[in-house]
Amino acid sequence: AQSVAQPEDQVNVAEGNPLTVKCTYSVSGNPYLFWYVQYPNRGLQFLLKYITGDNLVKGSYGFEAEFNKSQTSFHLKKPSALVSDSALYFCAVRDNTDKLIFGTGTRLQVFP
Amino acid sequence: GAGVSQSPSNKVTEKGKDVELRCDPISGHTALYWYRQSLGQGLEFLIYFQGNSAPDKSGLPSDRFSAERTGGSVSTLTIQRTQQEDSAVYLCASSLGGQGVANYGYTFGSGTRLTVV
Repeated sequence: AQSVAQPEDQVNVAEGNPLTVKCTYSVSGNPYLFWYVQYPNRGLQFLLKYITGDNLVKGSYGFEAEFNKSQTSFHLKKPSALVSDSALYFCAVRDNTDKLIFGTGTRLQVFP
Repeated sequence: GAGVSQSPSNKVTEKGKDVELRCDPISGHTALYWYRQSLGQGLEFLIYFQGNSAPDKSGLPSDRFSAERTGGSVSTLTIQRTQQEDSAVYLCASSLGGQGVANYGYTFGSGTRLTVV
Protein backbone atom coordinates (compact mmCIF):
# COMPACT_ATOMS: atom_id res chain seq x y z
CA ALA A 1 0.00 0.00 0.00
CA GLN A 2 1.13 3.53 -0.72
CA SER A 3 2.27 5.59 2.23
CA VAL A 4 4.39 8.54 3.22
CA ALA A 5 6.36 9.17 6.37
CA GLN A 6 7.32 12.47 7.92
CA PRO A 7 9.91 11.60 10.55
CA GLU A 8 9.97 14.99 12.28
CA ASP A 9 7.05 16.28 14.34
CA GLN A 10 8.62 19.73 14.47
CA VAL A 11 11.38 21.62 12.69
CA ASN A 12 12.82 24.81 14.13
CA VAL A 13 14.83 27.21 12.01
CA ALA A 14 16.01 30.80 12.30
CA GLU A 15 14.66 33.35 9.85
CA GLY A 16 16.93 33.69 6.84
CA ASN A 17 18.35 30.19 7.18
CA PRO A 18 17.57 27.38 4.74
CA LEU A 19 14.90 24.92 5.79
CA THR A 20 14.20 21.29 5.00
CA VAL A 21 11.09 19.30 5.90
CA LYS A 22 11.57 15.61 5.30
CA CYS A 23 9.27 13.10 3.60
CA THR A 24 9.86 9.54 2.47
CA TYR A 25 7.45 7.48 0.45
CA SER A 26 6.53 3.89 -0.26
CA VAL A 27 4.67 3.17 -3.48
CA SER A 28 4.26 0.51 -6.09
CA GLY A 29 4.73 2.01 -9.50
CA ASN A 30 5.43 5.64 -10.27
CA PRO A 31 4.86 8.00 -7.35
CA TYR A 32 2.62 11.04 -7.52
CA LEU A 33 3.77 13.20 -4.61
CA PHE A 34 2.42 16.41 -3.11
CA TRP A 35 3.15 18.97 -0.42
CA TYR A 36 0.41 20.95 1.33
CA VAL A 37 0.62 23.66 3.98
CA GLN A 38 -1.88 24.46 6.71
CA TYR A 39 -1.80 27.85 8.37
CA PRO A 40 -3.52 28.25 11.76
CA ASN A 41 -7.31 27.88 11.55
CA ARG A 42 -7.15 27.46 7.80
CA GLY A 43 -7.68 24.63 5.35
CA LEU A 44 -4.82 22.98 3.54
CA GLN A 45 -3.25 24.77 0.61
CA PHE A 46 -1.42 23.13 -2.28
CA LEU A 47 2.29 23.94 -2.48
CA LEU A 48 3.72 21.73 -5.19
CA LYS A 49 3.61 18.31 -6.80
CA TYR A 50 5.85 15.79 -8.51
CA ILE A 51 4.34 13.71 -11.31
CA THR A 52 7.21 13.13 -13.69
CA GLY A 53 10.12 15.02 -15.19
CA ASP A 54 12.66 17.14 -13.37
CA ASN A 55 13.58 15.94 -9.93
CA LEU A 56 13.56 19.49 -8.55
CA VAL A 57 10.04 20.84 -8.39
CA LYS A 58 9.31 24.50 -7.72
CA GLY A 59 6.13 25.58 -6.02
CA SER A 60 4.35 28.41 -4.26
CA TYR A 61 5.88 30.90 -1.80
CA GLY A 62 9.46 30.08 -2.87
CA PHE A 63 9.29 26.44 -1.81
CA GLU A 64 10.80 23.60 -3.78
CA ALA A 65 11.07 19.86 -3.35
CA GLU A 66 13.59 17.35 -4.53
CA PHE A 67 12.45 13.94 -5.72
CA ASN A 68 15.05 11.27 -5.04
CA LYS A 69 14.10 7.87 -6.37
CA SER A 70 17.03 5.96 -4.88
CA GLN A 71 16.31 7.30 -1.41
CA THR A 72 12.51 7.29 -1.92
CA SER A 73 12.40 10.81 -0.58
CA PHE A 74 10.60 14.03 -1.46
CA HIS A 75 11.98 16.64 0.94
CA LEU A 76 10.55 20.15 0.99
CA LYS A 77 13.08 22.97 0.94
CA LYS A 78 13.38 26.71 0.96
CA PRO A 79 16.66 28.63 0.67
CA SER A 80 15.73 31.37 3.15
CA ALA A 81 12.99 30.88 5.73
CA LEU A 82 10.50 33.57 6.73
CA VAL A 83 8.64 33.86 10.03
CA SER A 84 5.44 33.73 7.97
CA ASP A 85 6.40 30.23 6.78
CA SER A 86 5.58 28.92 10.25
CA ALA A 87 2.78 26.40 9.70
CA LEU A 88 1.95 22.71 9.53
CA TYR A 89 3.27 20.92 6.44
CA PHE A 90 1.89 17.70 5.00
CA CYS A 91 3.43 15.37 2.45
CA ALA A 92 1.02 13.19 0.44
CA VAL A 93 1.04 10.43 -2.15
CA ARG A 94 -1.69 9.41 -4.56
CA ASP A 95 -2.81 5.84 -4.04
CA ASN A 96 -4.17 3.41 -6.59
CA THR A 97 -7.78 4.40 -5.87
CA ASP A 98 -7.01 8.00 -6.83
CA LYS A 99 -7.09 9.52 -3.37
CA LEU A 100 -4.29 11.19 -1.43
CA ILE A 101 -2.68 9.52 1.56
CA PHE A 102 -1.18 12.10 3.91
CA GLY A 103 1.70 11.97 6.32
CA THR A 104 1.31 12.91 9.95
CA GLY A 105 2.50 16.44 9.34
CA THR A 106 5.53 18.47 10.43
CA ARG A 107 5.19 21.72 12.31
CA LEU A 108 7.66 24.30 11.05
CA GLN A 109 8.59 27.06 13.46
CA VAL A 110 10.67 29.93 12.09
CA PHE A 111 12.15 32.16 14.77
CA PRO A 112 12.98 35.83 14.16
CA GLY B 1 -18.42 28.58 -6.40
CA ALA B 2 -14.87 29.83 -6.35
CA GLY B 3 -13.72 27.45 -3.64
CA VAL B 4 -14.80 24.51 -1.51
CA SER B 5 -17.32 25.67 1.06
CA GLN B 6 -17.99 23.87 4.32
CA SER B 7 -20.66 24.55 6.90
CA PRO B 8 -20.91 25.07 9.73
CA SER B 9 -17.41 26.27 10.48
CA ASN B 10 -17.83 25.32 14.12
CA LYS B 11 -20.25 22.93 15.78
CA VAL B 12 -20.60 22.11 19.45
CA THR B 13 -22.91 19.23 20.22
CA GLU B 14 -23.84 17.10 23.17
CA LYS B 15 -22.72 13.51 23.36
CA GLY B 16 -25.33 11.24 21.82
CA LYS B 17 -26.74 13.81 19.42
CA ASP B 18 -26.59 13.48 15.63
CA VAL B 19 -24.73 16.05 13.50
CA GLU B 20 -24.64 16.86 9.80
CA LEU B 21 -21.68 18.50 8.13
CA ARG B 22 -22.00 19.98 4.68
CA CYS B 23 -19.55 20.35 1.83
CA ASP B 24 -20.13 22.32 -1.37
CA PRO B 25 -17.33 21.51 -3.83
CA ILE B 26 -15.95 23.57 -6.68
CA SER B 27 -18.35 23.59 -9.59
CA GLY B 28 -17.37 20.91 -12.10
CA HIS B 29 -15.29 18.88 -9.66
CA THR B 30 -16.63 15.35 -9.85
CA ALA B 31 -14.44 13.91 -7.09
CA LEU B 32 -15.10 14.78 -3.44
CA TYR B 33 -13.24 13.61 -0.35
CA TRP B 34 -13.80 13.75 3.40
CA TYR B 35 -10.91 13.67 5.87
CA ARG B 36 -10.70 14.03 9.63
CA GLN B 37 -7.95 15.86 11.47
CA SER B 38 -7.78 15.19 15.18
CA LEU B 39 -5.68 17.27 17.55
CA GLY B 40 -2.05 16.35 17.09
CA GLN B 41 -2.88 13.84 14.37
CA GLY B 42 -2.48 13.80 10.63
CA LEU B 43 -5.26 13.66 8.10
CA GLU B 44 -7.36 10.53 8.31
CA PHE B 45 -9.19 9.57 5.11
CA LEU B 46 -12.91 8.91 5.59
CA ILE B 47 -14.68 8.56 2.24
CA TYR B 48 -14.33 9.42 -1.45
CA PHE B 49 -17.07 10.19 -3.97
CA GLN B 50 -16.86 10.06 -7.73
CA GLY B 51 -20.06 11.68 -8.86
CA ASN B 52 -22.78 10.41 -6.53
CA SER B 53 -21.21 7.04 -5.85
CA ALA B 54 -18.62 6.21 -3.20
CA PRO B 55 -15.99 3.86 -4.59
CA ASP B 56 -13.98 4.05 -1.39
CA LYS B 57 -15.52 4.41 2.05
CA SER B 58 -12.91 2.34 3.78
CA GLY B 59 -12.00 5.12 6.19
CA LEU B 60 -15.36 5.53 7.92
CA PRO B 61 -14.51 4.61 11.52
CA SER B 62 -17.83 3.04 12.48
CA ASP B 63 -21.41 2.56 11.32
CA ARG B 64 -22.29 5.79 13.12
CA PHE B 65 -20.64 7.61 10.23
CA SER B 66 -22.31 7.94 6.84
CA ALA B 67 -22.10 10.28 3.89
CA GLU B 68 -24.04 11.00 0.78
CA ARG B 69 -23.69 13.16 -2.27
CA THR B 70 -26.54 14.31 -4.42
CA GLY B 71 -26.60 15.80 -7.90
CA GLY B 72 -22.88 15.25 -8.18
CA SER B 73 -22.40 18.33 -6.04
CA VAL B 74 -23.14 18.90 -2.35
CA SER B 75 -22.14 16.22 0.14
CA THR B 76 -23.30 15.67 3.70
CA LEU B 77 -21.35 13.77 6.33
CA THR B 78 -23.60 12.52 9.13
CA ILE B 79 -22.39 11.34 12.51
CA GLN B 80 -25.02 9.61 14.63
CA ARG B 81 -24.92 9.34 18.41
CA THR B 82 -21.78 11.46 18.63
CA GLN B 83 -19.03 10.49 21.04
CA GLN B 84 -16.28 12.64 22.53
CA GLU B 85 -13.68 10.89 20.37
CA ASP B 86 -15.48 12.25 17.31
CA SER B 87 -14.22 15.73 18.20
CA ALA B 88 -11.99 16.82 15.35
CA VAL B 89 -11.78 19.08 12.33
CA TYR B 90 -13.59 17.54 9.38
CA LEU B 91 -12.10 18.60 6.07
CA CYS B 92 -13.66 18.29 2.65
CA ALA B 93 -11.73 18.46 -0.61
CA SER B 94 -12.67 18.28 -4.26
CA SER B 95 -10.84 17.53 -7.46
CA LEU B 96 -11.44 17.05 -11.14
CA GLY B 97 -12.26 13.45 -11.87
CA GLY B 98 -10.22 11.07 -13.94
CA GLN B 99 -6.58 12.05 -13.59
CA GLY B 100 -7.57 15.10 -11.60
CA VAL B 101 -5.83 14.08 -8.43
CA ALA B 102 -2.64 13.17 -10.23
CA ASN B 103 -2.56 16.39 -12.20
CA TYR B 104 -4.12 18.91 -9.86
CA GLY B 105 -4.23 17.48 -6.37
CA TYR B 106 -7.07 18.64 -4.15
CA THR B 107 -8.68 21.92 -3.22
CA PHE B 108 -9.62 21.88 0.45
CA GLY B 109 -12.35 23.67 2.32
CA SER B 110 -11.62 25.42 5.62
CA GLY B 111 -13.15 22.60 7.60
CA THR B 112 -15.77 22.13 10.29
CA ARG B 113 -14.49 22.02 13.85
CA LEU B 114 -16.69 19.58 15.74
CA THR B 115 -16.63 19.53 19.52
CA VAL B 116 -18.61 16.89 21.37
CA VAL B 117 -19.23 17.75 25.02
